Amino acid sequence: AQKITQTQPGMFVQEKEAVTLDCTYDTSDQSYGLFWYKQPSSGEMIFLIYQGSYDEQNATEGRYSLNFQKARKSANLVISASQLGDSAMYFCAMREGQTGANNLFFGTGTRLTVIP
Amino acid sequence: DADVTQTPRNRITKTGKRIMLECSQTKGHDRMYWYRQDPGLGLRLIYYSFDVKDINKGEISDGYSVSRQAQAKFSLSLESAIPNQTALYFCATSDLRQREADTQYFGPGTRLTVL
Repeated sequence: AQKITQTQPGMFVQEKEAVTLDCTYDTSDQSYGLFWYKQPSSGEMIFLIYQGSYDEQNATEGRYSLNFQKARKSANLVISASQLGDSAMYFCAMREGQTGANNLFFGTGTRLTVIP
Repeated sequence: DADVTQTPRNRITKTGKRIMLECSQTKGHDRMYWYRQDPGLGLRLIYYSFDVKDINKGEISDGYSVSRQAQAKFSLSLESAIPNQTALYFCATSDLRQREADTQYFGPGTRLTVL
């Protein structure tokens, strides 16, 4: 089974509007971390936001917020007030277990296009 | 200057050649990772290292080897490159002392083409 599922291969949003990118995860661990990364056309991977499984508040970083619904195993990224520079691939990732664990499991990504 | 650098940024090589990709970081992080990205897929872990004396295989280590020459340097080698190793390769670093526990920060990537 896929550990991270991103069901939206592509999304469009009007500039200045908000958009939600979906991510569901699968783990039996109680302790895990969820991450979102942005990959612009230039190729680099840019860390956006982190949510720990024990964090009671949804994470926020500027215009990014993570809508964490633990019972539903979802960790959707919300981008408010979209900008043209937000056009990119967005990847959801999960690290299982304690931070002594090894790697991130990535989803297949969602390509976001911001329309002027 | 970038915190995580990768060299080369682009490389075209032929089947059977030995290739080394290098990663350096100035973040002072203990942990380093190598991933590959294929079109339509997320990143997959090749190898990781938690310190200079610690090397671990990831999900797809076959056909690759690594060397952790120093805390700041982590190299990935393809001993005999094959076309299906054509991909975008990323180095990443992390540190348990970060606020966002063990968040991985990525280098700019190396685009490798094996003909």
